[in-house]
Amino acid sequence: AQTVTQSQPEMSVQEAETVTLSCTYDTSENNYYLFWYKQPPSRQMILVIRQEAYKQQNATENRFSVNFQKAAKSFSLKISDSQLGDTAMYFCAFMGAPTGANSKLTFGKGITLSVRP
Amino acid sequence: ETGVTQSPTHLIKTRGQQVTLRCSSQSGHNTVSWYQQALGQGPQFIFQYYREEENGRGNFPPRFSGLQFPNYSSELNVNALELDDSALYLCASSTDRREQYFGPGTRLTVT
Repeated sequence: AQTVTQSQPEMSVQEAETVTLSCTYDTSENNYYLFWYKQPPSRQMILVIRQEAYKQQNATENRFSVNFQKAAKSFSLKISDSQLGDTAMYFCAFMGAPTGANSKLTFGKGITLSVRP
Repeated sequence: ETGVTQSPTHLIKTRGQQVTLRCSSQSGHNTVSWYQQALGQGPQFIFQYYREEENGRGNFPPRFSGLQFPNYSSELNVNALELDDSALYLCASSTDRREQYFGPGTRLTVT
């Protein structure tokens, strides 16, 4: 079974600065996907970024980028130029290859990020 | 393009009752997954439906059941409600079991 660990329960960052959120996972699979989701107080879970395990290049989406270390099973999210609207709970999630068995998401416990003005 | 919608937004039920939650998947998506999120926790997988068939189930008792319709919308039914069933229920849709997009959730309170 896969596990996802987010060991930092809370983080705080000054507006316009950069922050990195950590995530580690455990799996015996070789082909899989990793995601970061954002859940603001409105509670809608929003997909921030995705990474396919077979791709060596780290994914980037505007101010969001990841540092994917497959051997270390580490998947951190970097948020550059933090904005007040980035205040939310962030979840790291794992999904096995979507063939055959179900493609469920396994989530970490989440980290609460606060952006200070 | 219409996103994932869920109804109702909030629901209050009494222990022992039954509840049905509904989800309309995003246009073009054929897979629906349901998750339970307790307060302050990450979502837990309940089950998934792919092309109207159950395609995997998490560690939830049989009183949690579901259905997917030909238009790929879905229902989550919970029988014999318990206090611990109080949570946010999230529905996510995807294409061919790939990356999932979530609805706004249904907040269920069991008293």
